Amino acid sequence: AQTVTQSQPEMSVQEAETVTLSCTYDTSENNYYLFWYKQPPSRQMILVIRQEAYKQQNATENRFSVNFQKAAKSFSLKISDSQLGDTAMYFCAFRRPVTDKLIFGTGTRLQVFP
Amino acid sequence: DAGVTQSPTHLIKTRGQHVTLRCSPISGHKSVSWYQQVLGQGPQFIFQYYEKEERGRGNFPDRFSARQFPNYSSELNVNALLLGDSALYLCASSSVGYTFGYTFGSGTRLTVV
Repeated sequence: AQTVTQSQPEMSVQEAETVTLSCTYDTSENNYYLFWYKQPPSRQMILVIRQEAYKQQNATENRFSVNFQKAAKSFSLKISDSQLGDTAMYFCAFRRPVTDKLIFGTGTRLQVFP
Repeated sequence: DAGVTQSPTHLIKTRGQHVTLRCSPISGHKSVSWYQQVLGQGPQFIFQYYEKEERGRGNFPDRFSARQFPNYSSELNVNALLLGDSALYLCASSSVGYTFGYTFGSGTRLTVV
């Protein structure tokens, strides 16, 4: 069974600085998808960035980028130029290609302070 | 365009009661999934429906059931509520059965007392 582990329950960063959130996963699959979702106090899960396992190039979306290490089964999220609006829970998630089931980690609470 | 809408936003029920939660997907989205998020944890997959058929079921008891209607909206039903059913219930929709990403609603906060 696939599992997703986020070992940092809480992180904090000063505005404009860079922070990296960690995620590891366990699977025997070779092809899969990885996601980072943001959940602000409004509760809605918002897709931040996604990565296909067969792509070696790390995904980037504006200030958000990932470091995908397939052999190590690691998928970290880097947030550059942190903004106060980045304050939220961040969840790492895994999906096999033939299902719509997302497997989430336990989340990292990120606080951005002025 | 409206996003994924869920109703009600908050709900308080008594142990043993039944509850129905509703979800309207984004227009054109035919796949709807339900997740349970207990406080302090990540969401757990409950069901996925595509074109009105169940395509996936998570590790939840038979007290949990769902259905999808011809307009692709969906209901999640929970019978014989337990205190442990208190959680945020999230609905997500996508445009095809197997797709790359989802759009989530803001959830229904269910409290069982």
